[in-house]
Amino acid sequence: AQRVTQPEKLLSVFKGAPVELKCNYSYSGSPELFWYVQYSRQRLQLLLRHISRESIKGFTADLNKGETSFHLKKPFAQEEDSAMYYCALIRANQAGTALIFGKGTTLSVSS
Amino acid sequence: EPEVTQTPSHQVTQMGQEVILRCVPISNHLYFYWYRQILGQKVEFLVSFYNNEISEKSEIFDDQFSVERPDGSNFTLKIRSTKLEDSAMYFCASTGMSITQYFGPGTRLTVL
Repeated sequence: AQRVTQPEKLLSVFKGAPVELKCNYSYSGSPELFWYVQYSRQRLQLLLRHISRESIKGFTADLNKGETSFHLKKPFAQEEDSAMYYCALIRANQAGTALIFGKGTTLSVSS
Repeated sequence: EPEVTQTPSHQVTQMGQEVILRCVPISNHLYFYWYRQILGQKVEFLVSFYNNEISEKSEIFDDQFSVERPDGSNFTLKIRSTKLEDSAMYFCASTGMSITQYFGPGTRLTVL
C-alpha cells in the first residue's frame, strides 16, 4: 500500500538556522512526490514537485529512491516560513489519481 | 491567478441531515477531487471525478456520499445522512492536464 510518513509533528528552529523536514514514502512503483504548504488559515498550496526540480522560496527537495525519501530543506529559515508542511505522493504520472498525504509537520521559526 | 473556491466556509448541521458542499474548480480544469481532514489527522482522499464520472474513490466514500457536476462550473459533494464522525474540513481540488492539484480553502463541516 502507498504510504507517506512525516516523522516529526513539530519542528522548531531559530531564524537563520537550516531546516530539514523529513518525508519517507512507501510505494512499489515510481511515484510523483510533492510538498504542499499551508500557512495559517490559508489553503493548501503547492510548494515543490520533485520532477520540476525547482527551488521555491529557497526550499529544495531531492528524491532519493534508495532511501525512499523526499526531505525538504532550506539553508536559512525565515519567520515567514512558519506553516504546516505536507509531503504527498501520487502513484502514477496521471491526472485524476489520488494524492496520498503524510500527517504533516508544523514548522515554527522564531527570532 | 484563478483559484478554486468553496462554499460555505463553515457548515453546521444536525446528525442525520443532508449537506451539500459546493466547489467551483478552476475554469479550464478537467479533473475534480474531494478530500477531507478530520481535526488532528491527515488529509484523506475521498473521490476524483472526470468527464461526469467518478474515476477513483476511497473506502471512505461509501453510499452516504455522492458527487455531481450539476452545471458547467459547480462540483458538489453530498452527504446524505450526516454522522458525528463526518465532522471535518473538506477540501476540493482540481487539475488540468498536469497532475498538480490546486486546492480550495476548504469547508469546515460540524455535525452536532
